[in-house]
Amino acid sequence: SQTIHQWPATLVQPVGSPLSLECTVEGTSNPNLYWYRQAAGRGLQLLFYSVGIGQISSEVPQNLSASRPQDRQFILSSKKLLLSDSGFYLCAWSGTGWNTEAFFGQGTRLTVV
Amino acid sequence: AQTVTQSQPEMSVQEAETVTLSCTYDTSESDYYLFWYKQPPSRQMILVIRQEAYKQQNATENRFSVNFQKAAKSFSLKISDSQLGDAAMYFCAYRSPQKYGNKLVFGAGTILRVKS
Repeated sequence: SQTIHQWPATLVQPVGSPLSLECTVEGTSNPNLYWYRQAAGRGLQLLFYSVGIGQISSEVPQNLSASRPQDRQFILSSKKLLLSDSGFYLCAWSGTGWNTEAFFGQGTRLTVV
Repeated sequence: AQTVTQSQPEMSVQEAETVTLSCTYDTSESDYYLFWYKQPPSRQMILVIRQEAYKQQNATENRFSVNFQKAAKSFSLKISDSQLGDAAMYFCAYRSPQKYGNKLVFGAGTILRVKS
């Protein structure tokens, strides 16, 4: 069966420090991968999505970047965190057929202090 | 660009009664998928129901059903016989076809409170 792992679950980082959140998927190949951010009590903002290795689509210009170095690995990064980067980050994957649902990781709660 | 709008930030329903959550979307694509997801306090996202745009018949999953109006670009969720466990944030989502990168966009969410 397919599983998605996202870590860490919680992270507290000072302003100006770098960030690396990792997401990996097991049990499938060539998944579509997504990074979302959710502010407290708000909706899911699509940050990045990827349909293949090295293929990244950015939705919102910001202080973050994403990379997909391997087929089932998706990394969210920042060189220098801002206070406004605080939030709940969710990674998700879906099958290559466009009618398949998305499956989500457990999320990372990031607090920038 | 595809957008999803949920105009109800919060809704309340009495246990055992019926509630409808609204969702509209904007797209120029003719084929797409629509979803409703539930996010309980644990923040784990759970698929509630899905609808294929080319199917006229409204999807149904037990107590959950949708009213899909393609021309109006409307996709509402009806929850019948509401239960305390239905309390959560509900998100409407739109997914583009493969040729547009399978982009998956969510609305702002509706918090559903269930009163006993």
